[in-house]
Amino acid sequence: EIVLTQSPATLSLSPGERATLSCRASQSVSSYLAWYQQKPGQAPRLLIYDASNRATGIPARFSGSGSGTDFTLTISSLEPEDFAVYYCQQRSNWPPGGFTFGPGTKVDIK
Amino acid sequence: QVQLQESGPGLVKPSQTLSLTCTVSGGSISSGGYYWSWIRQHPGKGLEWIGYIYYSGSTYYNPSLKSRVTISVDTSKNQFSLKLSSVTAADTAVYYCARENTGYVDYWGQGTLVTVSS
Repeated sequence: EIVLTQSPATLSLSPGERATLSCRASQSVSSYLAWYQQKPGQAPRLLIYDASNRATGIPARFSGSGSGTDFTLTISSLEPEDFAVYYCQQRSNWPPGGFTFGPGTKVDIK
Repeated sequence: QVQLQESGPGLVKPSQTLSLTCTVSGGSISSGGYYWSWIRQHPGKGLEWIGYIYYSGSTYYNPSLKSRVTISVDTSKNQFSLKLSSVTAADTAVYYCARENTGYVDYWGQGTLVTVSS
C-alpha cells in the first residue's frame, strides 16, 4: 500500500500570506495525485487533480506541482475562506486498485 | 449538477451490520464512466477509502476492510449501498458516498455519522 505523509501537520498563517503544503508518497505515484480542502462539518472539495490541474471552479490562487514522490500545494495569497484542512490523495493503481489519503494539513489563522 | 445523499441508521450495535444507501440525483449511475465509492472519516481524523462499484457491479475494496465490506448497486433506483459486518466502536465514523471521476472524487454526499454502541 502506498502511504502518503503530509507536512507540516499545522500551518499558522495570516490572510494574504503564501501557504506551501507538502505531500510525500512512499513510492512513486507518477502524477496521480489530488488535493482536497475540507472545512468543519463539510465534505471535502476537490481542488487539484493529476498533481497540477485545477478542478472546475477552483480559484487560480491554488496551484499544485510535483511528480513521483514529492508534491506541493501552494495557495498564493490566503483568503479568509481558505483556512481549512487539506488532504492529498493518490490513485496510482486505480483501477482496479483503490486509493489512499494523506493525514492532512490544517491551515489556521495566526 | 450531481447530488448524492446518504441514508441509513445513525446507531448500530456492536457485532451487527452497518447498512447505508446512497441516492444519486442529477445523473445516472448506469450511464457509465464513473465509479461510485464509500469513504469514511473517523471523528477528528483523516479520510479512509472503503471501496467502489461500477454500474456493471464490478467492485474493489480496501484490503483492510475487504472481509467485512459489501457494496452493491441498484441502477433501477439510481442507488448504491454499503454493508459493513461485525462492526465495533472502531467503525464509528462519518460515512460519505461519492462519485469517482478518473480516480478522484469530484462529488461527495454530505456525510452521515454512524455510531457503534450498545
